[in-house]
Amino acid sequence: GAGVSQTPSNKVTEKGKYVELRCDPISGHTALYWYRQSLGQGPEFLIYFQGTGAADDSGLPNDRFFAVRPEGSVSTLKIQRTERGDSAVYLCASSSQSDTEAFFGQGTRLTVV
Amino acid sequence: AQSVTQLDSQVPVFEEAPVELRCNYSSSVSVYLFWYVQYPNQGLQLLLKYLSGSTLVESINGFEAEFNKSQTSFHLRKPSVHISDTAEYFCAVRSKGAQKLVFGQGTRLTINP
Repeated sequence: GAGVSQTPSNKVTEKGKYVELRCDPISGHTALYWYRQSLGQGPEFLIYFQGTGAADDSGLPNDRFFAVRPEGSVSTLKIQRTERGDSAVYLCASSSQSDTEAFFGQGTRLTVV
Repeated sequence: AQSVTQLDSQVPVFEEAPVELRCNYSSSVSVYLFWYVQYPNQGLQLLLKYLSGSTLVESINGFEAEFNKSQTSFHLRKPSVHISDTAEYFCAVRSKGAQKLVFGQGTRLTINP
């Protein structure tokens, strides 16, 4: 079956612009996660959704970052007033309630110039 | 809070040699432990996981890891590596009852012929 799909795969934007990154989880998975992976680092947790609600957003670095999952399926990570330090690979993962394993997408590489 | 330390950022080995990738973690609560692998230009894939029971866990491609509670370690080993094992390997922990993964910095395994 289809895995976690993230679009776009690459995004180049200018400093100060607004970007949206999309994640389409595995069908039926109720849990959805966003992580950020900077160059040479491991992924860092941003936010976790259970259904439509953000159950844990403790990893969001500041109020420029926001994520939604209005229908409990597709999620969008939104970054306002992008900064060069936001450049990273943004990873999305999903899991079912009974899973201990999270399945990752291929990521969106965001470059802020 | 949890943290994960992967002691080696890069490990070069010759083909058919044994390898050990080290992982130590810190946590005040019980955890689940994971190794993820990221092949070049691919997303993160689960390699193996420790949830409970036998402290030695194995993957389908010959890797194994042993949970050592007293040393808070979960080192990954393979007795004989292949060129196709070239990848970045990430150790991760998740506290029981929580959902987010905490990753180490990653270890780049390079196999030389």
